[in-house]
Amino acid sequence: SQELEQSPQSLIVQEGKNLTINCTSSKTLYGLYWYKQKYGEGLIFLMMLQKGGEEKSHEKITAKLDEKKQQSSLHITASQPSHAGIYLCGADYNTDKLIFGTGTRLQVFP
Amino acid sequence: DAGITQSPRHKVTETGTPVTLRCHQTENHRYMYWYRQDPGHGLRLIHYSYGVKDTDKGEVSDGYSVSRSKTEDFLLTLESATSSQTSVYFCATARREGDQPQHFGDGTRLSIL
Repeated sequence: SQELEQSPQSLIVQEGKNLTINCTSSKTLYGLYWYKQKYGEGLIFLMMLQKGGEEKSHEKITAKLDEKKQQSSLHITASQPSHAGIYLCGADYNTDKLIFGTGTRLQVFP
Repeated sequence: DAGITQSPRHKVTETGTPVTLRCHQTENHRYMYWYRQDPGHGLRLIHYSYGVKDTDKGEVSDGYSVSRSKTEDFLLTLESATSSQTSVYFCATARREGDQPQHFGDGTRLSIL
């Protein structure tokens, strides 16, 4: 959807490196969801952000929502092969559905 | 997760045939969703249900119908499959009103020749 842009489309990093994935909305978000997907599997819910300036962490993954509630970033510290997969953001505009980004494919090599 | 089982996991069929995909959940979640995932499009909502016999259309509902006769089962039917419906289909659930889908099945890979 043009109202939600996710970048980059793909990312190849060396194990141990940090990385950031961005999700930008053309309008104010009610909430922003982050998911991870491994090939051939369903989505795994990571985190949900709802307040401007909010930051949440899960293990080595940190997600932030900016004060204007139009941009979110997902940051992975000291990446590991287990972090590999597709990361998707989902925008909640206070309707009955999520609008998903097209995903970021992350590869982590030793 | 949330005890979601999709069946079948893989299916190959011919254009014009009817196809039904099943989603079964064991967590008594009120909301259930059907998505399709295609390269370059991400996940798009087909239909969703907010209770038994209560369903509504998503953004790509043309050519699809759904039914929910029990809390635990949500069926997606392609009445006359077309090649454009070749995709990976995901079922998802949410526990209560105001929640967005947080639990997903492992998907059904459907190929229509």
